[in-house]
Amino acid sequence: GDSVTQMEGPVTLSEEAFLTINCTYTATGYPSLFWYVQYPGEGLQLLLKATKADDKGSNKGFEATYRKETTSFHLEKGSVQVSDSAVYFCALSRGSGGGADGLTFGKGTHLIIQP
Amino acid sequence: GAVVSQHPSRVICKSGTSVKIECRSLDFQATTMFWYRQFPKKSLMLMATSNEGSKATYEQGVEKDKFLINHASLTLSTLTVTSAHPEDSSFYICSAVEGAGSPLHFGNGTRLTVT
Repeated sequence: GDSVTQMEGPVTLSEEAFLTINCTYTATGYPSLFWYVQYPGEGLQLLLKATKADDKGSNKGFEATYRKETTSFHLEKGSVQVSDSAVYFCALSRGSGGGADGLTFGKGTHLIIQP
Repeated sequence: GAVVSQHPSRVICKSGTSVKIECRSLDFQATTMFWYRQFPKKSLMLMATSNEGSKATYEQGVEKDKFLINHASLTLSTLTVTSAHPEDSSFYICSAVEGAGSPLHFGNGTRLTVT
């Protein structure tokens, strides 16, 4: 079945550092890929998504590129801020890009940014 | 933007009792709602998918008689944990989608503690 593997945390960085959170997936066909963020005490929010190979999703300075050849969707940000501290989930969907068919999540990566 | 409201945010109940969790889509009609369970340091596990007016589809290993899901209207789905036990203590999250290709919106989750 489908699965998502992402690096486990916590990941602790200093403010303005470069961030990479690795995510790889296993799925047949062409899934859509997502990154969700969960801030303390809040629900999950969609951060970015990509629906086909070589697509790049971006939002709030975060980027991730759908790499079918390496089955990866690594999350990157050039300069992190304290406010980026949260749990980040990589996810995939077999649906048409919105998640209406349900999502398969990775375990989440807790990111801690220190001032 | 679209909002999904989940209530209560926290609930403590005694072993053997039942507890109901509500999930409401506030400004859109949700054709499909999903219920997830989040274990500490683990991924969100999809429990069931519910479509308005029909029986929920449960994932393998999820007891449908223990986790009763009702999706009586296009804006409300409920999850009832029946005869709760301490091992049912967890974080339960709902999500809702308007239709195929639409984004998935998450509630803020419910922390259930069974004593």
